[in-house]
Amino acid sequence: GAVVSQHPSRVICKSGTSVKIECRSLDFQATTMFWYRQFPKQSLMLMATSNEGSKATYEQGVEKDKFLINHASLTLSTLTVTSAHPEDSSFYICSARNSGGGNQPQHFGDGTRLSIL
Amino acid sequence: DAKTTQPPSMDCAEGRAANLPCNHSTISGNEYVYWYRQIHSQGPQYIIHGLKNNETNEMASLIITEDRKSSTLILPHATLRDTAVYYCIAHSSGTYKYIFGTGTRLKVLA
Repeated sequence: GAVVSQHPSRVICKSGTSVKIECRSLDFQATTMFWYRQFPKQSLMLMATSNEGSKATYEQGVEKDKFLINHASLTLSTLTVTSAHPEDSSFYICSARNSGGGNQPQHFGDGTRLSIL
Repeated sequence: DAKTTQPPSMDCAEGRAANLPCNHSTISGNEYVYWYRQIHSQGPQYIIHGLKNNETNEMASLIITEDRKSSTLILPHATLRDTAVYYCIAHSSGTYKYIFGTGTRLKVLA
């Protein structure tokens, strides 16, 4: 149980393109999902908290107009990197927390490797 | 959430127990300790979590000291597939978000 699916796993595109990444909780409902970014040989850095039916909460220094988040249902959150440039190349990972709450752990997708040429 | 401190790297012989320490000296009473691991180019995989009692599941055991200021993740019989970066996180449900530290890079040697 507790599977989170992230799609696509890898994207290579030209500079200026907008890229959408999907995160789905397959067997549980997730009121809250999280988006992380990870550079090579570094730890995960939280970008934003995605809340179903409301605006996302962004961490300090993350441009909300650059990284658009939509959480339209209890099982799907999307991250759109708008007008991507080479410096946006990174490993993007989502996680989801069961709406049952309490101390239940977050479960992570397998990540999306974004390469902007 | 409390800050956690882990050694940057460890080696372990295949078949032996791997004991990964984590210091969380500022942990508060309602914060749980969660362990995840990340194999190269994948998302973190949940391993185990606990509050104050020792916990065991099919993957690992978690030993939390009585004062809760530190914990140890034990992989009883490490295999080559256990080579990964292991993260320890102290977290309470009230704050929702995780703060990842630098983790421990465990290398299991044949």
